[in-house]
Amino acid sequence: DSGVTQTPKHLITATGQRVTLRCSPRSGDLSVYWYQQSLDQGLQFLIQYYNGEERAKGNILERFSAQQFPDLHSELNLSSLELGDSALYFCASSVGFQGYQPQHFGDGTRLSIL
Amino acid sequence: AQKVTQAQTEISVVEKEDVTLDCVYETRDTTYYLFWYKQPPSGELVFLIRRNSFDEQNEISGRYSWNFQKSTSSFNFTITASQVVDSAVYFCALSEDTGNQFYFGTGTSLTVIP
Repeated sequence: DSGVTQTPKHLITATGQRVTLRCSPRSGDLSVYWYQQSLDQGLQFLIQYYNGEERAKGNILERFSAQQFPDLHSELNLSSLELGDSALYFCASSVGFQGYQPQHFGDGTRLSIL
Repeated sequence: AQKVTQAQTEISVVEKEDVTLDCVYETRDTTYYLFWYKQPPSGELVFLIRRNSFDEQNEISGRYSWNFQKSTSSFNFTITASQVVDSAVYFCALSEDTGNQFYFGTGTSLTVIP
């Protein structure tokens, strides 16, 4: 158990809809990262937050947004969903943002778009 | 360009055989960190090891060993006497000291046949 909690575990929805994925980091971790893992794309970094502030952005679509709240949990919002958004979405956390700190991953949210 | 290359997409071995998973990285930073993660069929990502660029000592942990060679920019992972429970996708990742993003390879899917 990594200590990172992601909800829900599974989400099934239709094209055009909007969903929110939630992540609670490990106790004491201030950084939260979001990744998308699809079959043909591997693990793609989306965005990072540190102590409530956006710190780094990766290949995140404009239809996607995220935030980190004062209690350090984070939410990833996906809107105008398309079939290609079907993937496993991971949240990871680390103590800070220094490169040497390993990221600890949650179990992921599997999003299926019908 | 890919910062982390895992050229082996899939590997199958028979139980008790040794297997080496290759990882080649690319960075201009003098300080960087390398990681290996395991993703079993259940889907979660499990942190295995971190290596600092200034420490080229090989590391052994039980049946797992890692060979870090700066001269060839490689950080290979060997499983000795493989077991069925080792079946998983293994990811190599790079973190640069100047940044705060993990660069993941595309993963190597290992199947250990009983």
